[in-house]
Order: sequence, then structure tokens, then C-alpha cells
Amino acid sequence: NAGVMQNPRHLVRRRGQEARLRCSPMKGHSHVYWYRQLPEEGLKFMVYLQKENIIDESGMPKERFSAEFPKEGPSILRIQQVVRGDSAAYFCASSAGAAGTGELFFGEGSRLTVL
Amino acid sequence: TQLLEQSPQFLSIQEGENLTVYCNSSSVFSSLQWYRQEPGEGPVLLVTVVTGGEVKKLKRLTFQFGDARKDSSLHITAAQPGDTGLYLCAGVITGGYNKLIFGAGTRLAVHP
Repeated sequence: NAGVMQNPRHLVRRRGQEARLRCSPMKGHSHVYWYRQLPEEGLKFMVYLQKENIIDESGMPKERFSAEFPKEGPSILRIQQVVRGDSAAYFCASSAGAAGTGELFFGEGSRLTVL
Repeated sequence: TQLLEQSPQFLSIQEGENLTVYCNSSSVFSSLQWYRQEPGEGPVLLVTVVTGGEVKKLKRLTFQFGDARKDSSLHITAAQPGDTGLYLCAGVITGGYNKLIFGAGTRLAVHP
């Protein structure tokens, strides 16, 4: 999982501010997945993107959350007007292809704390 | 509703003991992965199982995929303190793309 880079590793925001989390997939990977992990829980799927396309955003809240994966640059998960309940670890993963055995490579996560 | 049920949720054992972690579902998975996660880090892939009934060994870890591809188990022999961590099973729904569905995890503590 060393190849997936996420930043920032830690982010502190006050309620109402915006949080932007970045993810650079492994070299050669064009499929990116975002997951959220609450303390003492497993990972919950949020969104799956390919370059310039959102393929599946069924796990993402309808409001305040958005994701993109532009042609150039990292994938970005954006949370507007953060609330305390948004505090969590957000993990990005990448894969080389869309379908297969499901082997994803995860980054080390971005830990968001909302005060 | 948890699509993948992991048990036990917590496990605290002494060094040298054996243990088994279970991952169960009513859904069929085209593949199933086991990940290990350390505090403050992302999940690291341990193994992928694809064929029903498949058994894979990784040193002291033995992974099994159920015949019907709905369940899996992880068995650790002679556990060591270095095995301490969160063990997550995750599966890909048959016919789906690489959208992993995770269990809630089993938190293992191995005491010297």
C-alpha cells in the first residue's frame, strides 16, 4: 500500500468550515475508491471514481460531500460545512482495473477532527 | 445492516494460543480479502481467496473460503504479540466491480 499517497494525514476543522482531502493513486492505477472509518468500526464505501468520471457514489451523503478525480492531479474528497459527525478517518484506495479480485491498495488515511 | 458479519468482535489471548476469526454473509462473493490494519495506518492486504473451498496459508495464518463463497475464516496458529491488530474481511459482490464491502473487523490482542 506504500504507493497510494494521501494528504493531509491529519486535519482539524471547526464546524462550518470546509475539508479537502487528497489522494494520489498508485502509479498506473486509474481507479480510486474512498472509504470512511469511524472509531472501532470497519470501512464504509463512499465513492468510486475513474479519471474524470464518478462511477458509483452510492455511499456518499447527498449533501455537503463531493468527490472528483480530474484528468491531471489527485482525487479530492471535499466536505463542505463540516459537522462533528464528519470526524473520522478517510481512506483512499486504488486499483489498476475496474473488475477483478477486488485487491485494493490503501493509503494511510486522512484523519479529520471537527471541533 | 452489516452485509459481512465478523466474529468475534474482540479477542484477547495469550502468546502461543490458536484462534479463529469468522466472516459470514448471506450474499455470494466473487472474491474475498482479508486485511490487517494497525492503529493510525491503512488496511494492508493479507490474502485474496476466489474459489469456493479454497485454502491459503501465509506462514502461521490459514485462510479458508466457504464452498458457497458466502463465508470465510482466518485461523492463526501459535499467536504472537506481533499479530495484534484489527483484522478485516472484505468481499466483492458477484458481478460487481472492485467495490469492497467490509466487515466491522475483529480486534485481536496477543499478550506476552
